[in-house]
Amino acid sequence: SQQGEEDPQALSIQEGENATMNCSYKTSINNLQWYRQNSGRGLVHLILIRSNEREKHSGRLRVTLDTSKKSSSLLITASRAADTASYFCATIAYSGAGSYQLTFGKGTKLSVIP
Amino acid sequence: IAGITQAPTSQILAAGRRMTLRCTQDMRHNAMYWYRQDLGLGLRLIHYSNTAGTTGKGEVPDGYSVSRANTDDFPLTLASAVPSQTSVYFCASSEAGASGANVLTFGAGSRLTVL
Repeated sequence: SQQGEEDPQALSIQEGENATMNCSYKTSINNLQWYRQNSGRGLVHLILIRSNEREKHSGRLRVTLDTSKKSSSLLITASRAADTASYFCATIAYSGAGSYQLTFGKGTKLSVIP
Repeated sequence: IAGITQAPTSQILAAGRRMTLRCTQDMRHNAMYWYRQDLGLGLRLIHYSNTAGTTGKGEVPDGYSVSRANTDDFPLTLASAVPSQTSVYFCASSEAGASGANVLTFGAGSRLTVL
């Protein structure tokens, strides 16, 4: 079953605007990751935020994590047409017996219009 | 270039046929995974391997089998393909196996159509 759920399912913005995507999850996590997928390609890791972190930056990406609300957001600032892709959150949670499970959400499809 | 190689990139298959999707990585990662991606359902884990010689079942393992004879290769076999197995299949790997810091590297995917 899906642990993370992204919102919105699809987002269309003009180039230069900021894009915000949200992810909600149900159980306690060890960390949360965001991945990007260009059409017809595999997923590419963007950023990882640990459960004891509240915010993390990487270039034009800003990720926040609120463990009390079980939610995360990915902000892409000053968007470019090349940012057009689907974005997935993935949660890592302890699944017992020393193992961790990584579960992906269904993704947000971002379209950046030039 | 280091990474994951999947083959074939695309295949059309008759129902009932056996099919093996190949996956090879050259990063010496311990863990490897197979996901299927379907429209509206996101990525779902089929099988995984935390280290060579071990495998485990994911969320949707029925109809699929895997083996991990060595570190680099992780083939996925459909013993008798059915139309519901039409999907895009992604192989992935991570440096750590049963770890809380898994970051996955993905292959480019194999698009399988079962008629």
